[in-house]
Amino acid sequence: EIVLTQSPDTLSLSPGERVTLSCRASQTVSSTYLGWYQQKPGQAPRLLIYGTSSRATGIPDRFSGSGSGTDFTLTISRLEPEDFAVYYCQQYGSSPMYTFGQGTKLEIK
Amino acid sequence: QVQLVESGGGLVKPGGSLRLSCTASGFAFSDYYMSWVRQAPGKGLEWLSYIDGDSSFINYADSVKGRFTISRDNAENSLYLQMNSLRAEDTGTYYCARPTVAYGDPFDYWGRGVQVTVSS
Repeated sequence: EIVLTQSPDTLSLSPGERVTLSCRASQTVSSTYLGWYQQKPGQAPRLLIYGTSSRATGIPDRFSGSGSGTDFTLTISRLEPEDFAVYYCQQYGSSPMYTFGQGTKLEIK
Repeated sequence: QVQLVESGGGLVKPGGSLRLSCTASGFAFSDYYMSWVRQAPGKGLEWLSYIDGDSSFINYADSVKGRFTISRDNAENSLYLQMNSLRAEDTGTYYCARPTVAYGDPFDYWGRGVQVTVSS
């Protein structure tokens, strides 16, 4: 099983700031199979990024993803009030058992 | 539009069983893999299982292998999760999720989730 470790667990930031979230894998993950989701309280997760760097339908271009091998990042270039949420990375094919990271909570400072 | 609606949750005693359903609409259900994902209260997401379109390729997370069974009825556009030998740590919200198409695709559609509580 591939373990994904996200850091930090919590980030306190202000609207307008730039943020980079980290996702580190216990073994190599193909860039094809790494994605990011956003989840707000009481809601189902929403796909943001797939294939490491491709934005899902309707996702604003302030969200971007990058990385390779075991280190991946999600960057939000300029935080909007609606971006404060929990973010999860997921590998969905480098191993037959899909896995999620434990999540990073983005909170308003 | 794509819709996934879970049902069948509730309160069950440890050691008991429950069967969750997910009714799909708005897409050709039999063409798609489907998955179950859960979330314990205040915790992160945990992938549980996936099944391919004709039920020939199935996999489970170690945490539920041997206790949970995924299945589908393409004629009814329905996905199921039979949960046996339930434990307190199985408590949480259970989501069905659809990938873009198949294995190796991210989950682009999710249901709203159904609550399962395992408690005496």
